[in-house]
Amino acid sequence: QVHLQESGPGLVKPSGTLSLTCAVSGGSISSSSWWNWVRQPPGKGLEWIGQIYHSGSTNYNPSLKSRVTILLDESNNQFSLKLSSVTAADTAVYYCARVPGYSSGWHQNWGQGSLVTVSS
Amino acid sequence: DIVMTQSPDSLAVSLGERATINCKSSQSVLYSSNNRDYLAWYQQKPGQPPKLLIYWASTRESGVPDRFSGSGSGTDFTLTISSLQAEDVAVYFCQQYYTTPQTFGQGTKLEIK
Repeated sequence: QVHLQESGPGLVKPSGTLSLTCAVSGGSISSSSWWNWVRQPPGKGLEWIGQIYHSGSTNYNPSLKSRVTILLDESNNQFSLKLSSVTAADTAVYYCARVPGYSSGWHQNWGQGSLVTVSS
Repeated sequence: DIVMTQSPDSLAVSLGERATINCKSSQSVLYSSNNRDYLAWYQQKPGQPPKLLIYWASTRESGVPDRFSGSGSGTDFTLTISSLQAEDVAVYFCQQYYTTPQTFGQGTKLEIK
């Protein structure tokens, strides 16, 4: 069973860059999977941020694309999210999630989530 | 973007009764070349990440109780819990993965009456 765990700062200053890492265990990040980031503002719904395939191919939400970078770190079996120029609207629980296979789209495995607050 | 709209926003059902949650997409998520609907359902309990219940609109994820079922095609979908159990209290989300960006419904909160 694939296990995912997010880590990173819980507080980011406005205009700064949010950085999170998702450690993958129980499976290889080089497997046929899309590795995703999804966020959820407190008390609200889910917003897909973007994804990366083991080949390095990426897809991003157009609403965030200019500020988002998702990278793979195969040597450490993890992937990362960077979101620049953050504002209070970026305050949310950030989840990493795995989509199995190239042609599927459902999120089969999720991390527990990491709350990131944007505040000075 | 495809807009996913769930109804109702909240629902209270008695234990052992049927619960029905609807999800409507702003355009069809049926891919004609493989006749599959690119629609999933998730359950989220407080303080927990979402849990996958259903994909391809009606395929139950391994380990999910068979009281959960998904139906529908094209733009209209339904998640049915045939006999509500106390542990089913949660928020339920639908998700389309037909196009990028994938999008989620706003969620339906299910409570015990």
